Amino acid sequence: EVQLLESGGGLVQPGGSLRLSCAASQFTFSSYAMSWVRQAPGKGLEWVSTISGSGSSTYYADSVKGRFTISRDNSKNTLYVQMNGLTPEDTAVYYCARGQYCSGGSCQNDYWGQGTLVTVSS
Amino acid sequence: DIQMTQSPSSLSAFVGDRVTITCRASQSIGSFLIWYQQKPGKAPKLLIYAASNLESGVPSRFSGSGSGTDFTLTISSLQPEDSATYYCQQSYSTPPTFGQGTKVEIK
Repeated sequence: EVQLLESGGGLVQPGGSLRLSCAASQFTFSSYAMSWVRQAPGKGLEWVSTISGSGSSTYYADSVKGRFTISRDNSKNTLYVQMNGLTPEDTAVYYCARGQYCSGGSCQNDYWGQGTLVTVSS
Repeated sequence: DIQMTQSPSSLSAFVGDRVTITCRASQSIGSFLIWYQQKPGKAPKLLIYAASNLESGVPSRFSGSGSGTDFTLTISSLQPEDSATYYCQQSYSTPPTFGQGTKVEIK
């Protein structure tokens, strides 16, 4: 069974930084694009970023471009997102998701992690 | 960016009812349309991909149809466990965009 386990969420002050991780197992990690999708409290789903299986291509939502950096370590089967310059508007549950049949950064996400909560507040 | 608009935003129906949710794209997306189900406190779950293909393990009472700009998710006979929020997403172009969600409640 495919497993995705996020970690690294927590409370951070505005302007601060945080790095989220997503540990993947039970599939060939390097063969799949991976995405981060977030959900603000009581709101809908918002795509954040996608990275290709090799890591050579990355895509970002305009709302995080220049502040967030997606990366992956295929030797560790782990996906990351480095989040800098955080604002209260970044407060959300962050999900990692496996992508397939991607058109650029737009994928069909067939497996999702349980999510990790990021709260940006002073 | 492609805008995805779902209707209705919420609905309430009886067990056994046929339920239909609509998703409209702001431009043609072919069949690059995905439906997810999300229950409170849980991650989204893939239900339908490529507009009409049922994901493995998803009950056959769920079906999807449409192409171009207009799409439909149908639950043929609503069950108590179908109480959830349903989202459509286009995977035609970057950025991928989601509908605002449709909350389905059981009367």
